[in-house]
Amino acid sequence: DVKVTQSSRYLVKRTGEKVFLECVQDMDHENMFWYRQDPGLGLRLIYFSYDVKMKEKGDIPEGYSVSREKKERFSLILESASTNQTSMYLCASSIRARNQPQHFGDGTRLSIL
Amino acid sequence: DQQVKQNSPSLSVQEGRISILNCDYTNSMFDYFLWYKKYPAEGPTFLISISSIKDKNEDGRFTVFLNKSAKHLSLHIVPSQPGDSAVYFCAASDAQGGSEKLVFGKGTKLTVNP
Repeated sequence: DVKVTQSSRYLVKRTGEKVFLECVQDMDHENMFWYRQDPGLGLRLIYFSYDVKMKEKGDIPEGYSVSREKKERFSLILESASTNQTSMYLCASSIRARNQPQHFGDGTRLSIL
Repeated sequence: DQQVKQNSPSLSVQEGRISILNCDYTNSMFDYFLWYKKYPAEGPTFLISISSIKDKNEDGRFTVFLNKSAKHLSLHIVPSQPGDSAVYFCAASDAQGGSEKLVFGKGTKLTVNP
């Protein structure tokens, strides 16, 4: 079974802090993704990566950056956290091939005070 | 511009009956469709998928139907069980575009009453 592990289930940070969310997958997947989920808005893609050191912006990249130094690890960085970044953050990975599902971690519930 | 639409935010059915969740899409280039189930405080779990060369795919109690001309897909759960109560997300991808990104709908909350 694919295992996608997010480092924290719950996180509380203060406005202006730099926040790191970590994600590790154990299936040697090429693709990794970061989403946020908000009530009534579904899942929105923040950034994704299809290889080490490669990244592409998703639909809502403003205020975020990412890092992929190793194939199994994909980090989401909030450069200066703001209250509107309070959300559920979900990491996913997939094989780089057509018609393959993404596999998700359990999410990090981030609160910015 | 919402490319994947789930127009029913919620659905309530009785245990043992059929649950039908609907999804519409606007991008005719989408060629792979998926359904995910999500429990509170957990990540989405992949449920079932269908490629555009098919019009039906079954996996146990779950069947997905695809109507390409109507740009519509549906998920049937028969029989529904209380443990099926969750939020269901429809997703689609345009793999021919060279990207494995998924576009998600906003979800439908299914409640199965005992």
